[in-house]
Amino acid sequence: DTAVSQTPKYLVTQMGNDKSIKCEQNLGHDTMYWYKQDSKKFLKIMFSYNNKELIINETVPNRFSPKSPDKAHLNLHINSLELGDSAVYFCASSRGGDYYNEQFFGPGTRLTVL
Amino acid sequence: SQQGEEDPQALSIQEGENATMNCSYKTSINNLQWYRQNSGRGLVHLILIRSNEREKHSGRLRVTLDTSKKSSSLLITASRAADTASYFCATDAMSNAGNMLTFGGGTRLMVKP
Repeated sequence: DTAVSQTPKYLVTQMGNDKSIKCEQNLGHDTMYWYKQDSKKFLKIMFSYNNKELIINETVPNRFSPKSPDKAHLNLHINSLELGDSAVYFCASSRGGDYYNEQFFGPGTRLTVL
Repeated sequence: SQQGEEDPQALSIQEGENATMNCSYKTSINNLQWYRQNSGRGLVHLILIRSNEREKHSGRLRVTLDTSKKSSSLLITASRAADTASYFCATDAMSNAGNMLTFGGGTRLMVKP
């Protein structure tokens, strides 16, 4: 059983388009996250979200927006895609609630903007 | 520069040897975690060490934490070819809201059979 799943695995699109990446976790976790990993493998947090609170990394452009239809899903919407958005995007989840929880990562979505 | 920077950036060893990776960070933390990433895959949690702990073991893994030096090390003993991967440290800083982790740039470990 896949704990954290993402679709699609690969996404190739043109500049200026709007796209979404879906994430689902079946672990019953309270908190979900989106990370961006660039070509040099640096991994940067974008959002942290639970049913009470959205925390946004201040460096994330407002073209990026997370949407959570329910506790098990946190989708990432990206408007007006730019070349620099090309990266691998990882969804993750954790129990939340205190500061000692490991995070479980999805397999990643490789986004290529042409 | 990034919170959580690994050293070395790349490490190549023979199977059976030990591998040591270091991580430095800048701010006070609640905990520090190590993750492994195989090529083309997501990250897998290896071990978490709390700010009041100094050493932790899990199988062939040994992690140390020195909060006075703001540094941690990951030791993999008796390495295997299957340990080939990138290893990342991640800090859960006290200043962070929402359990957001800050990752370093990773150490790419190659274990030659």
